[in-house]
Amino acid sequence: QQKVQQSPESLIVPEGGMASLNCTSSDRNVDYFWWYRQHSGKSPKMLMSIFSNGEKEEGRFTVHLNKASLHTSLHIRDSQPSDSALYLCAAVVNTGNYKYVFGAGTRLKVIA
Amino acid sequence: EAAVTQSPRNKVAVTGGKVTLSCNQTNNHNNMYWYRQDTGHGLRLIHYSYGAGSTEKGDIPDGYKASRPSQENFSLILELATPSQTSVYFCASGGGVNTLYFGAGTRLSVL
Repeated sequence: QQKVQQSPESLIVPEGGMASLNCTSSDRNVDYFWWYRQHSGKSPKMLMSIFSNGEKEEGRFTVHLNKASLHTSLHIRDSQPSDSALYLCAAVVNTGNYKYVFGAGTRLKVIA
Repeated sequence: EAAVTQSPRNKVAVTGGKVTLSCNQTNNHNNMYWYRQDTGHGLRLIHYSYGAGSTEKGDIPDGYKASRPSQENFSLILELATPSQTSVYFCASGGGVNTLYFGAGTRLSVL
């Protein structure tokens, strides 16, 4: 029973294009979200977090959050082959401490 | 950057054997986590801990035990390993609202 759903499962975009990834939690206790990136054979590394409604931009990466629907999205503009990776969304539940629940991920491939 | 060290990096075990995966962090984080990663499932939470002496069950705890003897160390124990536990295991640490820092992972094969 995956409480964090990510879509699409996989995505292919041309170099220089825009990649859009989605994540929704079914747990009303979610406090905020993190996005992680995992290159093949490596461990996940933090990308961006979003705590409140709205949009947050860091370089080529933009994250949106709608807390009412518990939906977050990650947008990568001017995609590069080095962006090819598994993107993982984590919903963080705060019950006095912090529990991180991950989705299955979106596998992004950027082709030159 | 925060340092999380896992050992061993690779392990081959026999069905029914006991396996212990170790994790050490030097970041003084209160929270530590054990996940397994399988294709199509992302990272699934097995056990986690909020501090020395505490362990909590995650979403898939069956067949696993955890031990947190100190702030720095968090172990995952498979008392009777089964082939279905073949996977890549990640340990992570984090503090409060901070992000998680992951170790390099342990690739476990149970034959």
